[in-house]
Amino acid sequence: DVKVTQSSRYLVKRTGEKVFLECVQDMDHENMFWYRQDPGLGLRLIYFSYDVKMKEKGDIPEGYSVSREKKERFSLILESASTNQTSMYLCASSLGTAITDTQYFGPGTRLTVL
Amino acid sequence: EDQVTQSPEALRLQEGESSSLNCSYTVSGLRGLFWYRQDPGKGPEFLFTLYSAGEEKEKERLKATLTKKESFLHITAPKPEDSATYLCAVQDWGSNYKLTFGKGTLLTVNP
Repeated sequence: DVKVTQSSRYLVKRTGEKVFLECVQDMDHENMFWYRQDPGLGLRLIYFSYDVKMKEKGDIPEGYSVSREKKERFSLILESASTNQTSMYLCASSLGTAITDTQYFGPGTRLTVL
Repeated sequence: EDQVTQSPEALRLQEGESSSLNCSYTVSGLRGLFWYRQDPGKGPEFLFTLYSAGEEKEKERLKATLTKKESFLHITAPKPEDSATYLCAVQDWGSNYKLTFGKGTLLTVNP
């Protein structure tokens, strides 16, 4: 079974703090993704990575950066957290084949910025 | 731009009362349509991938079907444990792996 883990289930930070969210997958997947999920807005893609050290902006990259130094690990960084970044953050990974590319999600991190 | 619309937003059923959830989509070239189940406070759990019109997939009480414009998730004789939000997403051949999600249908099954 595919397993995607996220470093924290719940996180509370102060405005202006630097925040790191980490995601690890154990299935040797090529692609990894960061989404945020907000009521009424659904899931929105922040960034994704299709290879080590490679990244591409999603729909809402402003205020975020990412790092992928190893294939299994993808980090989301909030350089200076703001209250409007309070959200549920979801990491996903996919194999990246030409035919099928199902994304598998982690359990999520509920981030609150005060 | 890819678009996904799910209906209804919320559905309340009695245990054993079968029904269907709808996912209407617009893409330039469909690579895949995905159904996920999401329980409160958790990440989406993968259910099905459909690739071409006419395709059907089943898992326990769930059956997903696909046409050129929409997908249905049929729930037969649901149980309270089927209560969850069901998400539909599409992937376009030109999207470089990106998924476009609908906003989901919140299903509640009462005993």
